[in-house]
Amino acid sequence: AAGVIQSPRHLIKEKRETATLKCYPIPRHDTVYWYQQGPGQDPQFLISFYEKMQSDKGSIPDRFSAQQFSDYHSELNMSSLELGDSALYFCASSLGLDSTVGEQYFGPGTRLTVT
Amino acid sequence: GENVEQHPSTLSVQEGDSAVIKCTYSDSASNYFPWYKQELGKRPQLIIDIRSNVGEKKDQRIAVTLNKTAKHFSLHITETQPEDSAVYFCAANRDDKIIFGKGTRLHILP
Repeated sequence: AAGVIQSPRHLIKEKRETATLKCYPIPRHDTVYWYQQGPGQDPQFLISFYEKMQSDKGSIPDRFSAQQFSDYHSELNMSSLELGDSALYFCASSLGLDSTVGEQYFGPGTRLTVT
Repeated sequence: GENVEQHPSTLSVQEGDSAVIKCTYSDSASNYFPWYKQELGKRPQLIIDIRSNVGEKKDQRIAVTLNKTAKHFSLHITETQPEDSAVYFCAANRDDKIIFGKGTRLHILP
């Protein structure tokens, strides 16, 4: 079965550079979530989109922005990168079911290293 | 907002024995409780979930129980095997996003 696709899998950037992470949800899934996971930590919710509209926002820095496109893929844009942004970034997708929260399936993640 | 507490942070059990991980949540509006297994450097994988209209759910060697009154839920793994070694995260929803516990590192001893 098709899973969530993320690209790139690994990314190395220097401080103050920008990065764009991409996420392709499971076919027919209309909701995308972004999580940041530091070493040895739990995934922290950043932001989510449902039907191309931002549905919720968590601990996402103002330097980051994201959007969901008409084909439901999503991009996380990160500017003015800092050393502390080094982490695994996961995208998850689910099928929105009105008021019922859908099961979230995670992509393989993008490992971002800021030097 | 939702706060999810998870215990223990580390658990070692002999192969073949059972493992139990416990979590509590704070938001009485939470109605969805997934459990994720994460191996080193890999994605969290949904292994089982339970909704608030159910008290217990089982899938082969894995079971989850939910006590809504006490706001706690638990993961039970029976007949543990070496491949069960991983970090396990409990989670609870706040609206349509999920809040994770801090994780339990499970070691299966030979």
